[in-house]
Amino acid sequence: AQKVTQAQTEISVVEKEDVTLDCVYETRDTTYYLFWYKQPPSGELVFLIRRNSFDEQNEISGRYSWNFQKSTSSFNFTITASQVVDSAVYFCALAPTMDSSYKLIFGSGTRLLVRP
Amino acid sequence: DGGITQSPKYLFRKEGQNVTLSCEQNLNHDAMYWYRQDPGQGLRLIYYSQIVNDFQKGDIAEGYSVSREKKESFPLTVTSAQKNPTAFYLCASSIGGRGLGNTIYFGEGSWLTVV
Repeated sequence: AQKVTQAQTEISVVEKEDVTLDCVYETRDTTYYLFWYKQPPSGELVFLIRRNSFDEQNEISGRYSWNFQKSTSSFNFTITASQVVDSAVYFCALAPTMDSSYKLIFGSGTRLLVRP
Repeated sequence: DGGITQSPKYLFRKEGQNVTLSCEQNLNHDAMYWYRQDPGQGLRLIYYSQIVNDFQKGDIAEGYSVSREKKESFPLTVTSAQKNPTAFYLCASSIGGRGLGNTIYFGEGSWLTVV
């Protein structure tokens, strides 16, 4: 099965708190890609990060960091010192490579609300 | 500016009508996609096209049709056969080709409501 699970439907934090969004995936492929997208209220999906299955190094970009662990099939996303502008729906997605359609398999998303 | 332009942003459809959502990209991407998003859910693939004059059905193609006559354009028609068309529709594109796992970039979306 090819599947992405984001078990947290909604998270509410107070500004400046750290928050981690969980993503667990299932795939039969040995080579695959994982993505995170942000969907602000305007609706557009904004690309945040792409990671291939052979690169397990954690990545940090400003206040954002990602933890990829193949052993647990997880690709979690942490926002440090959250801000109100971080309020959005965040999607984790999987691109399997055995499927030639290039399509992304999305999780159901996690709505993050950052309160002032 | 380079990007993906969808129009209209909001569209109302009467029962039994076909409507067409426009998607244009100037990123010189080969592959284009249409996704549907229902409230509180993830995105589901409707159709995709890897090259001009070619397209394939995604997971929920019934009641939809597409064309790919130009590299820049990938319009989606929601036909009267689509039983529950009210949703948010997102067009996307990627470099495509043999580089699997290419990043897919999205437009701003179109809201379709059946009245």
